[in-house]
Amino acid sequence: GAVVSQHPSWVICKSGTSVKIECRSLDFQATTMFWYRQFPKQSLMLMATSNEGSKATYEQGVEKDKFLINHASLTLSTLTVTSAHPEDSSFYICSAIPGTSGIGDTGELFFGEGSRLTVL
Amino acid sequence: AQSVTQLDSHVSVSEGTPVLLRCNYSSSYSPSLFWYVQHPNKGLQLLLKYTSAATLVKGINGFEAEFKKSETSFHLTKPSAHMSDAAEYFCVVSDRGGFKTIFGAGTRLFVKA
Repeated sequence: GAVVSQHPSWVICKSGTSVKIECRSLDFQATTMFWYRQFPKQSLMLMATSNEGSKATYEQGVEKDKFLINHASLTLSTLTVTSAHPEDSSFYICSAIPGTSGIGDTGELFFGEGSRLTVL
Repeated sequence: AQSVTQLDSHVSVSEGTPVLLRCNYSSSYSPSLFWYVQHPNKGLQLLLKYTSAATLVKGINGFEAEFKKSETSFHLTKPSAHMSDAAEYFCVVSDRGGFKTIFGAGTRLFVKA
């Protein structure tokens, strides 16, 4: 149980275009999901907390207009990289906490497989 | 406030020898502690977790970790390394709700034949 699916796994786009990445909880509902960015050989950097039915909470230094997050249902959050540029190329990972209250019982996060974005 | 320090950025072992990946943490409350493994271009997979029950935690693939409050450590061990263990390992500290999650910098494990 507690499977998180992320799509697409790989995406290549031209500079100036927008790219949408989906994060789905397949067998549980999640009020809260998280989006991370990971640079090569580095740890995960939290970008934003996605809240179902409300605005996402962005970490300091993350451009809200560049990285649009929509959490339209209890099983789906999307990250849209708008007007992508080569410097946006990275590995993006989502995670979710089971529970409609947004509160898990142990703090365990369930991660998607990640999405590799390459902007040409 | 919480923090987590993985003491080694790289660890290299020979196949069949023991693995030790070190992690120290600090937390102002009783945390949950996790070890995750990440293979190239993949998400994070949970190896094991400590959530205030037994201090010696057994996980998947023969890994285990011991929570030592007095030393604020949560080191990951495995008696015998396998080639498939080569990956990046993250020590993670979190509050019980999962909203305050801190990732370690990661330790790259190399396994030599």
